[in-house]
Amino acid sequence: EPEVTQTPSHQVTQMGQEVILRCVPISNHLYFYWYRQILGQKVEFLVSFYNNEISEKSEIFDDQFSVERPDGSNFTLKIRSTKLEDSAMYFCASSTGDRWISYGYTFGSGTRLTVV
Amino acid sequence: AQSVTQLDSQVPVFEEAPVELRCNYSSSVSVYLFWYVQYPNQGLQLLLKYLSGSTLVKGINGFEAEFNKSQTSFHLRKPSVHISDTAEYFCAVSVFTGGGNKLTFGTGTQLKVEL
Repeated sequence: EPEVTQTPSHQVTQMGQEVILRCVPISNHLYFYWYRQILGQKVEFLVSFYNNEISEKSEIFDDQFSVERPDGSNFTLKIRSTKLEDSAMYFCASSTGDRWISYGYTFGSGTRLTVV
Repeated sequence: AQSVTQLDSQVPVFEEAPVELRCNYSSSVSVYLFWYVQYPNQGLQLLLKYLSGSTLVKGINGFEAEFNKSQTSFHLRKPSVHISDTAEYFCAVSVFTGGGNKLTFGTGTQLKVEL
């Protein structure tokens, strides 16, 4: 079964440093997403990406966040200057076209970001 | 905007007993509904989804859910739970907005199965 792959599985960074979280979505999917889950809390939507641009973003996704699909296969989330409160599990997801026809939404296994 | 309410933060149950995890949603438009399971230190696994058609949806691991439009509910049920079902369960709704399908999650229900 196709998978969404996220690397690294765990990243520790110092406050103020830039981090890039990487994701390889399922190859025929068209929509890409990032979600965040702070420890013990619910999963929150950050951003969706379609046709090489952001299609929707939440209020959490401020100027320190950016997303990119640099090479047609990877999908990255960059946090420019990390804060302690950015510590969370970050999930990448991808989906097919405009309806949940086949696989629907598929999540990666997540990257646990720890800011110290 | 859509929202999801999972009233029960924790549900303890004995092994082989039935369980129901409650989910209510609100939305001004038609929604798609999902249940995800998260085992400790793991990612999100899709249990089942309601897109259209039959309101009773069967998923993996013996779980099922019933979509009730009049009560705006999508409760998850299992007739007999196993220790291995201990996990966090998230209900989610989605509306296609043209830019993709944003999932809105509930706060989760911790299912704890005891011997």
